[in-house]
Amino acid sequence: NAGVMQNPRHLVRRRGQEARLRCSPMKGHSHVYWYRQLPEEGLKFMVYLQKENIIDESGMPKERFSAEFPKEGPSILRIQQVVRGDSAAYFCASSPLPAGSGANVLTFGAGSRLTVL
Amino acid sequence: ILNVEQSPQSLHVQEGDSTNFTCSFPSSNFYALHWYRWETAKSPEALFVMTLNGDEKKKGRISATLNTKEGYSYLYIKGSQPEDSATYLCAFAGGGGNKLTFGTGTQLKVEL
Repeated sequence: NAGVMQNPRHLVRRRGQEARLRCSPMKGHSHVYWYRQLPEEGLKFMVYLQKENIIDESGMPKERFSAEFPKEGPSILRIQQVVRGDSAAYFCASSPLPAGSGANVLTFGAGSRLTVL
Repeated sequence: ILNVEQSPQSLHVQEGDSTNFTCSFPSSNFYALHWYRWETAKSPEALFVMTLNGDEKKKGRISATLNTKEGYSYLYIKGSQPEDSATYLCAFAGGGGNKLTFGTGTQLKVEL
């Protein structure tokens, strides 16, 4: 039973290009969370998705960032026209139910490290 | 904006020492408090989830307590070992319980 799979692990983009980060949740998990870790900072919530729905995107910048979790396939975090400040590690996590309900924990992927030149 | 604060920010202890860290969180609209362990170059891994005031959880040498009325949780490590070296994160679920807000972590280094 594979864990949460994220790819690519490392991505280098030039300013103005697009970055696409993919996350396949654990089998049986329909709730996906994206977090960003900026250098010297902790994990910051970006967006919470269920299959085909964005539940909470309160942590995601209004411009250039979007996320989806289609019925088939992985969840994708898309950053358009990247800038140097987007350089960070992006972590995906999944759970079988909402993270705050009962004893549900998040299972994290290994992260995708984006470097913008 | 939810404030989840952890202290100390970092800690160096000797092998065999016992230690503890603090996580403080909003005392209203509480749903759950999580603790995660994050080793360098790995992913955060769940240690405990606590949902009730007064909860105490234990896993081996690591234990945690929860006080939701005053908004704090303690994580204890008894007889620290070098393999305990990691960043320990707490995360608070409040409001609708939809998301976890993480603290910045306590970085523990256990030296021989």
